[in-house]
Amino acid sequence: QKEVEQNSGPLSVPEGAIASLNCTYSDRGSQSFFWYRQYSGKSPELIMSIYSNGDKEDGRFTAQLNKASQYVSLLIRDSQPSDSATYLCAVSGSSNTGKLIFGQGTTLQVKP
Amino acid sequence: GAVVSQHPSWVICKSGTSVKIECRSLDFQATTMFWYRQFPKQSLMLMATSNEGSKATYEQGVEKDKFLINHASLTLSTLTVTSAHPEDSSFYICSAWGGWPGDEQYFGPGTRLTVT
Repeated sequence: QKEVEQNSGPLSVPEGAIASLNCTYSDRGSQSFFWYRQYSGKSPELIMSIYSNGDKEDGRFTAQLNKASQYVSLLIRDSQPSDSATYLCAVSGSSNTGKLIFGQGTTLQVKP
Repeated sequence: GAVVSQHPSWVICKSGTSVKIECRSLDFQATTMFWYRQFPKQSLMLMATSNEGSKATYEQGVEKDKFLINHASLTLSTLTVTSAHPEDSSFYICSAWGGWPGDEQYFGPGTRLTVT
Protein backbone atom coordinates (compact mmCIF):
# COMPACT_ATOMS: atom_id res chain seq x y z
CA GLN A 1 0.00 0.00 0.00
CA LYS A 2 1.56 3.26 -1.14
CA GLU A 3 1.15 5.83 1.59
CA VAL A 4 1.69 9.46 2.41
CA GLU A 5 1.92 10.31 6.07
CA GLN A 6 1.35 13.65 7.76
CA ASN A 7 0.87 14.68 11.35
CA SER A 8 -2.78 15.70 11.56
CA GLY A 9 -2.07 18.38 14.17
CA PRO A 10 -3.38 20.87 14.93
CA LEU A 11 -0.12 22.74 14.65
CA SER A 12 -0.44 26.03 16.46
CA VAL A 13 2.02 28.87 15.89
CA PRO A 14 1.92 32.56 16.82
CA GLU A 15 1.55 35.18 14.13
CA GLY A 16 4.91 36.01 12.57
CA ALA A 17 6.50 32.67 13.43
CA ILE A 18 7.70 29.94 11.07
CA ALA A 19 5.34 27.02 10.57
CA SER A 20 6.96 23.72 9.60
CA LEU A 21 4.83 21.01 8.00
CA ASN A 22 6.21 17.56 7.31
CA CYS A 23 5.32 14.64 5.08
CA THR A 24 6.80 11.21 4.39
CA TYR A 25 5.96 8.88 1.53
CA SER A 26 6.52 5.22 0.85
CA ASP A 27 6.83 4.95 -2.96
CA ARG A 28 10.49 5.45 -3.89
CA GLY A 29 9.49 5.86 -7.53
CA SER A 30 7.49 9.03 -6.88
CA GLN A 31 8.60 11.95 -9.02
CA SER A 32 6.30 14.87 -8.26
CA PHE A 33 5.36 16.39 -4.93
CA PHE A 34 2.73 18.97 -4.17
CA TRP A 35 1.49 20.98 -1.23
CA TYR A 36 -2.15 22.05 -1.35
CA ARG A 37 -3.92 24.36 1.06
CA GLN A 38 -7.57 23.73 1.88
CA TYR A 39 -9.78 26.11 3.78
CA SER A 40 -12.80 24.68 5.55
CA GLY A 41 -15.60 24.00 3.10
CA LYS A 42 -13.45 24.79 0.06
CA SER A 43 -11.53 22.69 -2.43
CA PRO A 44 -7.73 22.40 -2.36
CA GLU A 45 -5.54 25.03 -3.99
CA LEU A 46 -1.94 24.48 -5.02
CA ILE A 47 0.70 26.19 -2.88
CA MET A 48 3.91 24.61 -4.08
CA SER A 49 5.20 21.88 -6.35
CA ILE A 50 8.68 20.36 -6.14
CA TYR A 51 10.34 17.74 -8.28
CA SER A 52 14.05 17.60 -7.38
CA ASN A 53 16.02 17.36 -4.16
CA GLY A 54 16.66 20.57 -2.29
CA ASP A 55 14.71 23.69 -1.54
CA LYS A 56 12.25 25.66 -3.63
CA GLU A 57 11.14 29.07 -2.47
CA ASP A 58 8.09 31.08 -3.47
CA GLY A 59 7.43 34.16 -1.39
CA ARG A 60 6.85 33.13 2.22
CA PHE A 61 6.72 29.46 1.29
CA THR A 62 9.65 27.05 0.97
CA ALA A 63 9.27 23.43 -0.03
CA GLN A 64 12.05 20.98 0.78
CA LEU A 65 12.50 17.56 -0.77
CA ASN A 66 14.80 14.72 0.24
CA LYS A 67 14.16 11.69 -1.93
CA ALA A 68 16.72 9.54 -0.13
CA SER A 69 14.82 10.01 3.12
CA GLN A 70 11.43 10.03 1.33
CA TYR A 71 10.61 13.27 3.05
CA VAL A 72 9.05 16.51 1.90
CA SER A 73 8.32 19.56 3.98
CA LEU A 74 6.74 23.00 3.72
CA LEU A 75 7.95 26.01 5.65
CA ILE A 76 5.75 29.07 6.00
CA ARG A 77 7.64 32.16 7.14
CA ASP A 78 5.98 35.12 8.84
CA SER A 79 2.82 33.09 9.40
CA GLN A 80 -0.42 35.04 9.17
CA PRO A 81 -3.87 34.22 10.59
CA SER A 82 -5.01 33.85 6.97
CA ASP A 83 -2.62 30.89 6.66
CA SER A 84 -4.82 28.96 9.09
CA ALA A 85 -6.03 26.01 7.02
CA THR A 86 -5.40 22.34 6.37
CA TYR A 87 -2.29 21.61 4.33
CA LEU A 88 -2.35 18.51 2.18
CA CYS A 89 0.80 16.78 0.98
CA ALA A 90 0.29 14.99 -2.32
CA VAL A 91 2.67 12.64 -4.08
CA SER A 92 2.43 11.32 -7.60
CA GLY A 93 2.81 7.62 -8.17
CA SER A 94 5.56 6.21 -10.33
CA SER A 95 3.11 5.34 -13.11
CA ASN A 96 2.77 8.83 -14.66
CA THR A 97 -1.01 8.67 -14.71
CA GLY A 98 -1.45 11.97 -12.93
CA LYS A 99 -2.89 10.15 -9.96
CA LEU A 100 -1.97 11.67 -6.61
CA ILE A 101 -1.80 10.07 -3.22
CA PHE A 102 -2.82 12.50 -0.50
CA GLY A 103 -1.81 12.59 3.11
CA GLN A 104 -4.49 13.10 5.72
CA GLY A 105 -3.53 16.77 6.03
CA THR A 106 -2.10 18.92 8.80
CA THR A 107 -4.30 21.58 10.34
CA LEU A 108 -2.40 24.81 10.96
CA GLN A 109 -3.66 27.43 13.39
CA VAL A 110 -1.93 30.81 13.38
CA LYS A 111 -2.84 32.77 16.47
CA PRO A 112 -2.83 36.59 16.37
CA GLY B 1 -3.41 28.33 -13.35
CA ALA B 2 -6.13 26.53 -15.21
CA VAL B 3 -9.77 27.00 -14.27
CA VAL B 4 -12.06 24.10 -13.47
CA SER B 5 -15.72 24.62 -12.74
CA GLN B 6 -18.29 22.38 -11.13
CA HIS B 7 -22.03 22.55 -11.26
CA PRO B 8 -24.01 22.64 -9.10
CA SER B 9 -22.05 24.01 -6.16
CA TRP B 10 -24.55 22.48 -3.77
CA VAL B 11 -27.58 20.24 -4.12
CA ILE B 12 -30.18 18.76 -1.81
CA CYS B 13 -32.06 15.71 -3.00
CA LYS B 14 -34.41 13.12 -1.61
CA SER B 15 -33.31 9.59 -0.87
CA GLY B 16 -33.68 7.33 -3.90
CA THR B 17 -33.23 10.02 -6.51
CA SER B 18 -30.23 10.55 -8.79
CA VAL B 19 -28.00 13.59 -8.97
CA LYS B 20 -25.64 14.62 -11.76
CA ILE B 21 -22.55 16.74 -11.12
CA GLU B 22 -20.69 18.38 -13.98
CA CYS B 23 -16.98 19.15 -14.06
CA ARG B 24 -15.61 21.39 -16.79
CA SER B 25 -12.08 22.50 -17.58
CA LEU B 26 -12.59 25.97 -18.96
CA ASP B 27 -9.26 26.87 -20.50
CA PHE B 28 -7.35 23.67 -21.22
CA GLN B 29 -7.92 20.18 -22.49
CA ALA B 30 -7.97 17.67 -19.67
CA THR B 31 -6.68 14.26 -20.66
CA THR B 32 -7.77 12.93 -17.32
CA MET B 33 -10.23 14.01 -14.70
CA PHE B 34 -10.36 12.69 -11.18
CA TRP B 35 -13.33 12.49 -8.84
CA TYR B 36 -12.87 12.73 -5.09
CA ARG B 37 -15.16 12.57 -2.12
CA GLN B 38 -14.43 14.23 1.19
CA PHE B 39 -16.23 13.67 4.47
CA PRO B 40 -15.97 16.24 7.29
CA LYS B 41 -12.52 16.43 8.89
CA GLN B 42 -11.16 13.78 6.54
CA SER B 43 -8.77 13.96 3.62
CA LEU B 44 -9.68 13.58 -0.02
CA MET B 45 -10.65 10.09 -1.07
CA LEU B 46 -10.13 9.29 -4.73
CA MET B 47 -13.22 7.66 -6.18
CA ALA B 48 -12.32 7.22 -9.83
CA THR B 49 -10.08 8.25 -12.69
CA SER B 50 -11.79 9.32 -15.88
CA ASN B 51 -10.10 9.46 -19.29
CA GLU B 52 -11.78 11.05 -22.29
CA GLY B 53 -13.55 8.52 -24.44
CA SER B 54 -12.93 5.51 -22.22
CA LYS B 55 -14.49 3.87 -19.21
CA ALA B 56 -13.60 5.25 -15.81
CA THR B 57 -11.33 3.35 -13.47
CA TYR B 58 -12.80 3.06 -10.01
CA GLU B 59 -10.90 2.76 -6.77
CA GLN B 60 -11.37 -0.29 -4.63
CA GLY B 61 -14.61 -0.15 -2.67
CA VAL B 62 -16.32 2.40 -4.92
CA GLU B 63 -19.46 1.04 -6.56
CA LYS B 64 -19.26 1.75 -10.28
CA ASP B 65 -22.98 1.13 -10.78
CA LYS B 66 -23.82 3.69 -8.13
CA PHE B 67 -21.36 6.38 -9.18
CA LEU B 68 -21.62 6.68 -12.95
CA ILE B 69 -18.87 8.65 -14.62
CA ASN B 70 -18.90 9.89 -18.18
CA HIS B 71 -16.02 11.75 -19.81
CA ALA B 72 -17.42 12.65 -23.19
CA SER B 73 -14.93 15.34 -24.15
CA LEU B 74 -11.60 16.79 -23.13
CA THR B 75 -13.40 19.52 -21.20
CA LEU B 76 -16.34 17.78 -19.56
CA SER B 77 -16.77 14.92 -17.13
CA THR B 78 -19.93 14.08 -15.22
CA LEU B 79 -20.55 12.11 -12.05
CA THR B 80 -24.04 10.76 -11.46
CA VAL B 81 -24.90 9.50 -8.01
CA THR B 82 -27.71 7.03 -8.59
CA SER B 83 -30.33 6.11 -6.01
CA ALA B 84 -28.72 8.44 -3.50
CA HIS B 85 -28.94 7.69 0.20
CA PRO B 86 -28.11 9.87 3.22
CA GLU B 87 -24.72 8.17 3.57
CA ASP B 88 -23.82 9.55 0.14
CA SER B 89 -24.01 13.07 1.56
CA SER B 90 -20.54 14.48 1.12
CA PHE B 91 -18.36 17.06 -0.61
CA TYR B 92 -17.58 15.89 -4.15
CA ILE B 93 -14.58 17.46 -5.86
CA CYS B 94 -13.27 16.97 -9.38
CA SER B 95 -9.85 17.78 -10.71
CA ALA B 96 -8.38 17.99 -14.17
CA TRP B 97 -4.96 16.90 -15.39
CA GLY B 98 -3.35 17.89 -18.66
CA GLY B 99 -1.50 14.64 -19.22
CA TRP B 100 2.14 15.66 -18.79
CA PRO B 101 4.17 14.02 -16.00
CA GLY B 102 4.69 16.52 -13.25
CA ASP B 103 1.63 18.57 -14.13
CA GLU B 104 -0.47 19.53 -11.16
CA GLN B 105 -4.11 18.62 -10.79
CA TYR B 106 -6.42 21.62 -11.03
CA PHE B 107 -9.32 21.31 -8.65
CA GLY B 108 -12.88 22.41 -9.14
CA PRO B 109 -14.65 24.29 -6.34
CA GLY B 110 -16.55 21.20 -5.21
CA THR B 111 -20.19 20.19 -4.94
CA ARG B 112 -21.82 19.68 -1.58
CA LEU B 113 -24.45 16.96 -1.78
CA THR B 114 -27.04 16.52 0.95
CA VAL B 115 -29.42 13.58 0.69
CA THR B 116 -32.49 13.80 2.89
